[in-house]
Amino acid sequence: EPEVTQTPSHQVTQMGQEVILRCVPISNHLYFYWYRQILGQKVEFLVSFYNNEISEKSEIFDDQFSVERPDGSNFTLKIRSTKLEDSAMYFCASSEGGSGTRLTFGSGTRLTVV
Amino acid sequence: RKEVEQDPGPFNVPEGATVAFNCTYSNSASQSFFWYRQDCRKEPKLLMSVYSSGNEDGRFTAQLNRASQYISLLIRDSKLSDSATYLCVVWIKAAGNKLTFGGGTRVLVKP
Repeated sequence: EPEVTQTPSHQVTQMGQEVILRCVPISNHLYFYWYRQILGQKVEFLVSFYNNEISEKSEIFDDQFSVERPDGSNFTLKIRSTKLEDSAMYFCASSEGGSGTRLTFGSGTRLTVV
Repeated sequence: RKEVEQDPGPFNVPEGATVAFNCTYSNSASQSFFWYRQDCRKEPKLLMSVYSSGNEDGRFTAQLNRASQYISLLIRDSKLSDSATYLCVVWIKAAGNKLTFGGGTRVLVKP
């Protein structure tokens, strides 16, 4: 079964540093997403991306966050200046269609900000 | 009121028993409904979509009650491998292209 691949699986970074989380969505999928889950809390939407631009973003996705699809396969999430509260599991997901269709999630990157 | 609300559990279930739990949603414009399963520290995985008429997939049955704004999941003949957190997920058309997750219901199946 096709997979969404995320790297690294775990990243430890110092507060104030920039991090880039990487994702390779399923190849024929057109919609890409980032979600995050703080330990013990619910999964929260960050951003959706379609046709090489952000289609939606949540209040969490402030100016410190950005996404990019630098080539035909990778989809990245950058956090410019990490804060302690950015520590969470970050899940990339992709779907064939948008608007409430089935999402396939990657295995996540656990980000720890110290 | 939370957009999607679930009893966090845990539901302790003897192996072979049946367990059922609900999820309520606050926005009547919610259009699509899903149950995802999440194992500890792993990614959510789609268990099943929930259709208006209710649907079954093996030992799992999902129901939708639009009038009372809840969905349910029933697991028959529970297996040890069913131990997980079950996430209720809702798509609200007016909210665009994102899914809204509940906090999850933890199920522990014991021998």
